[in-house]
Amino acid sequence: EIVMTQSPATLSVSPGERATLSCRASQSVSSNLAWYQQKPGQAPRLLIYGASTRATGIPARFSGSGSGTEFTLTISSLQSEDFAVYYCQQYNNWPPENTFGGGTKVEIK
Amino acid sequence: EVQLVESGGGLVQPGGSLRLSCAASGFTFSSYEMNWVRQAPGKGLEWVSYISSSGSTIYYADSVKGRFTISRDNAKNSLYLQMNSLRAEDTAVYYCARTVAAAVGAFDYWGQGTLVTVSS
Repeated sequence: EIVMTQSPATLSVSPGERATLSCRASQSVSSNLAWYQQKPGQAPRLLIYGASTRATGIPARFSGSGSGTEFTLTISSLQSEDFAVYYCQQYNNWPPENTFGGGTKVEIK
Repeated sequence: EVQLVESGGGLVQPGGSLRLSCAASGFTFSSYEMNWVRQAPGKGLEWVSYISSSGSTIYYADSVKGRFTISRDNAKNSLYLQMNSLRAEDTAVYYCARTVAAAVGAFDYWGQGTLVTVSS
C-alpha cells in the first residue's frame, strides 16, 4: 500500500500570507494526486486533481504542483475561509487503489 | 445542482447491521462511478467501497471486505451500503462521493455524511 505523508501537521499562517503544504508518497504515483479541503462539520471539498488541475469553482489562489513522490498545495494569499484541514489523496492504480494522507491543519497565526 | 444526500445512520450494537442510502440528484447518476468514504471521529479519511456506473464492478477496502456490500439502483438514482457484522472500529461518518471520471479516482461531490455509531 502506498503511504501518503503530509507535512507539517499544523501550519500557522496570517491572513493574506502564502501557505505551502506538502504531501509525499512512499512510491511514485505519477500525477494521480488530489487535494481536498475540509472544514469542521462539513464534507471534504475537492480542490485539485491530476496534481495541478483545479476542480470546478475553485479560486485561482489554490494551486497544485509536483509529480512522482513530492507534491505541493499552495494557497497564494490566505483568506479567512481557507482555514481548514487539507488532505492529499493518491489514486495511481484506480480503481480501487487509493490512500489519503493524514491531513494538514491550517490555522490562524 | 449536484446533490448527494445520505441517510440510514444511527446507533447499532457490535455484530449488528445497518443499511445506508445515498440519494443523488442534479446529474446523470447512471454515468458515474460512486464510492463510500468514511471518517472516524477526529480522524482522517478512509475510502470504503467503489461501484462502477453500471454496478458490474465493485471493490472494497480490506477493512470491510466480507462484511459490507455496496449496490446501486440507477432507476432510483440511489447508492447503498449494507453493513453487517459491525465493529466498534466501524464508528464513523459515512460519506457517499462521486468519482470525477473513469480512471480519475478523485471525488468531486460529497454528501453531508451520516454518522454510524457501533456501541453496546
